[in-house]
Amino acid sequence: DAGVIQSPRHEVTEMGQEVTLRCKPISGHDYLFWYRQTMMRGLELLIYFNNNVPIDDSGMPEDRFSAKMPNASFSTLKIQPSEPRDSAVYFCASSNTGGAQPQHFGDGTRLSIL
Amino acid sequence: GDSVTQMEGPVTLSEEAFLTINCTYTATGYPSLFWYVQYPGEGLQLLLKATKADDKGSNKGFEATYRKETTSFHLEKGSVQVSDSAVYFCALTYNNNDMRFGAGTRLTVKP
Repeated sequence: DAGVIQSPRHEVTEMGQEVTLRCKPISGHDYLFWYRQTMMRGLELLIYFNNNVPIDDSGMPEDRFSAKMPNASFSTLKIQPSEPRDSAVYFCASSNTGGAQPQHFGDGTRLSIL
Repeated sequence: GDSVTQMEGPVTLSEEAFLTINCTYTATGYPSLFWYVQYPGEGLQLLLKATKADDKGSNKGFEATYRKETTSFHLEKGSVQVSDSAVYFCALTYNNNDMRFGAGTRLTVKP
């Protein structure tokens, strides 16, 4: 079975540019999570969706970040304008509903803002 | 709030050594507990889990027992291999929309 698919795997861009990260969750999963991982702050939950609806975006650092889930098989995380401090690895994860189901992670997007 | 505390790394062991990575949790109820592993350049992968007290999760030679009396879920392996070098995360959740991760412990196994 295909796992969570993220694209691109690597992104290098100059500050001020718009960055869009993409995620395809595992088919049938109704929860989708966006995380950011840095050495300094570890793994941080940014936002999560249930049945395509954003449930908690309290982890989104500021208004420059936005996330959408237009359908059950696709989500985007957008940063506009990007800043060097946004450099990190961004992970998408999905899970099934019902009890304490594990989250399944994609391989991440390594983002570098110059 | 509920949280997980892991032993700080990095941990460096020789091949075939015994591994313990400590994890303790603070919880108001009875969460499910997980260990995830992250290999270089990859996302986190579920290693094992336990859903109630005294349950033992096991996978690939790794084990962890859910200890309610000590609020712990320590990860153990009897004989580590170079291929076990990775970052290990302890985590807890009551449901799948709020998973609390520890800071991660980096393990390096030398031949």
